[in-house]
Amino acid sequence: EVQLLESGGGLVQPGGSLRLSCAASKFTFTNYAMNWVRQAPGKGLEWVALIVPSGGGTNYADSVKGRFTISRDNSKNMLFLQMYSLRAEDTATYYCAKGPGMVRGIGGRSIVDKGNGMDVWGQGTTVTVSS
Amino acid sequence: DIQMTQSPSSLSASVGDRVTITCRASQSISNYLNWYQQKPGKAPKLLIYAASSLQDGVPSRFSGSGSGTDFTLTISNLQPEDFATYSCQQSFSSFYSFGQGTKLYIK
Repeated sequence: EVQLLESGGGLVQPGGSLRLSCAASKFTFTNYAMNWVRQAPGKGLEWVALIVPSGGGTNYADSVKGRFTISRDNSKNMLFLQMYSLRAEDTATYYCAKGPGMVRGIGGRSIVDKGNGMDVWGQGTTVTVSS
Repeated sequence: DIQMTQSPSSLSASVGDRVTITCRASQSISNYLNWYQQKPGKAPKLLIYAASSLQDGVPSRFSGSGSGTDFTLTISNLQPEDFATYSCQQSFSSFYSFGQGTKLYIK
């Protein structure tokens, strides 16, 4: 069964750092973009970051740009989220999510497939930022 | 940034009912709109992608429609397991964004 398993959450003080990990299994990791999505307690889903299969392209939500870094280790089927300068408003359950895949765009360049969603999610890891 | 707005924020219905949830984008997103279902304490589940394509394994009572800026998710013949929160998400831009969610309650 295709699976994503997050780890690394915990309690951290404001201004602190934390690194989340996501282990992927039972699919060809290098074929898919990967995402981090978070959900604050009692709130809706917030997309955080995306990384393309090669790791050579990343996008971030404005709320985390400059503080969070998404990365991947394709040799180990692992996704990471390094979080710095954490704030109380970063308190949330963080999910890693698979997809979409890549397609050929204009000029033959490989681009993220707009026509698909995030089809596999981990169970989430909880980050609490509090003194 | 593309803003996604869902309505209503909450909705009560009975088993067997037909319900419709609306999602509006702040600019045209063609048909690059996905719907997710989330139950309390669980991860979201992809229901519909590209506005109207049913994800594998999702019951046919779920359907989606729309293009441009206005989209709908319809659930026919509501079942007890359908009471959950539903969220839309645009994938037109690779800076994704979600609607705020619609919580579907049992009446």
